[in-house]
Amino acid sequence: QKEVEQDPGPLSVPEGAIVSLNCTYSNSAFQYFMWYRQYSRKGPELLMYTYSSGNKEDGRFTAQVDKSSKYISLFIRDSQPSDSATYLCAIRDGGATNKLIFGTGTLLAVQP
Amino acid sequence: IAGITQAPTSQILAAGRRMTLRCTQDMRHNAMYWYRQDLGLGLRLIHYSNTAGTTGKGEVPDGYSVSRANTDDFPLTLASAVPSQTSVYFCASTTPGGYGYTFGSGTRLTVV
Repeated sequence: QKEVEQDPGPLSVPEGAIVSLNCTYSNSAFQYFMWYRQYSRKGPELLMYTYSSGNKEDGRFTAQVDKSSKYISLFIRDSQPSDSATYLCAIRDGGATNKLIFGTGTLLAVQP
Repeated sequence: IAGITQAPTSQILAAGRRMTLRCTQDMRHNAMYWYRQDLGLGLRLIHYSNTAGTTGKGEVPDGYSVSRANTDDFPLTLASAVPSQTSVYFCASTTPGGYGYTFGSGTRLTVV
């Protein structure tokens, strides 16, 4: 079983739709959860991070962590064509490397 | 502008040749990482360095080596390239206990 699983998509929605992106993870010890956005032929950029369970909101974006079910989500409200990108969930490994473990990414296209 | 610079942007390399991918950051981050990104497999950690003078192996280190002579530079060397090393390579950095990474724009490498 992979440590982080992510629906690969692709996902196509009309402008203005609410988008839900999801990941599951296997290790209940994980505490730090992130979402990255990656535009075509660019490096990933940090979008949001959350610690432990709960919600965090930033403008049109909401990150949600449910540690009981090992499930993390990113919601995008009022989606825009400029949101079209690949979205990667990531979890920080608290070991010696402090590495990030990434999902495989979900490609999102918001149609105008 | 603070960030990570990777070079070259792209390269076509003959199998068996040696190549060094360059990575320089100007944020004085202690930790640096090399990932490769492949379709369907996501970002996988090759090597990391928690601080200047130290390095460690990630998930897919075979065929790659790194060095960390100073804080700013973290080159990745392919000693004898093989076609399976065709990928997009990303360098990243973070502060100790940092929540997320800053990524470079990537090097697109094709080994033929």
